[in-house]
Amino acid sequence: EDQVTQSPEALRLQEGESSSLNCSYTVSGLRGLFWYRQDPGKGPEFLFTLYSAGEEKEKERLKATLTKKESFLHITAPKPEDSATYLCAVPRRGAGGTSYGKLTFGQGTILTVHP
Amino acid sequence: DAGITQSPRHKVTETGTPVTLRCHQTENHRYMYWYRQDPGHGLRLIHYSYGVKDTDKGEVSDGYSVSRSKTEDFLLTLESATSSQTSVYFCAIGGQNTDTQYFGPGTRLTVL
Repeated sequence: EDQVTQSPEALRLQEGESSSLNCSYTVSGLRGLFWYRQDPGKGPEFLFTLYSAGEEKEKERLKATLTKKESFLHITAPKPEDSATYLCAVPRRGAGGTSYGKLTFGQGTILTVHP
Repeated sequence: DAGITQSPRHKVTETGTPVTLRCHQTENHRYMYWYRQDPGHGLRLIHYSYGVKDTDKGEVSDGYSVSRSKTEDFLLTLESATSSQTSVYFCAIGGQNTDTQYFGPGTRLTVL
């Protein structure tokens, strides 16, 4: 069964203190890994898709990387507005290899950046 | 923002009453999904649709039904609401050639 595990559950940083969030997965034949950001009271907002080991993507202070077993979301010099819950997800493999886009989500990491 | 709206945004109802949540998209995406989000459980798939009148169950479908009579609308119905269905419900849409999903703003449902 596909599993996605995120760590830590919660992370508190001071403004400017860089760190990383981890997303580990057990899925055969990875067909992509997705990162989302979710603010309180809102729906998840798409950030990145990574498809193959070694791939990296950046957006402002965020950089996502992918290995064969895990993905990292690196946050460089974070600001208070980066505070949110960060979710990762992988597509499920259904019968005949068709996933119909169904995703398995991790529990998320709650990031708090203090000024 | 992806053109996804959900209605109502908030609803309080009583146990045993029927409830219908609506998801409307303006992106003409083929795939649509209903999730619920609960503390300690994360996002869990309830039902999904891969075309008009084509729907299937997700991992937590008991007590829920869905309908999709046109591309832009995906309805989630709780036939007889229970307190365990108190949750935040999200609709998502997905593209033809990608598994990327875009989420709506959510509906907070409270069943008393």
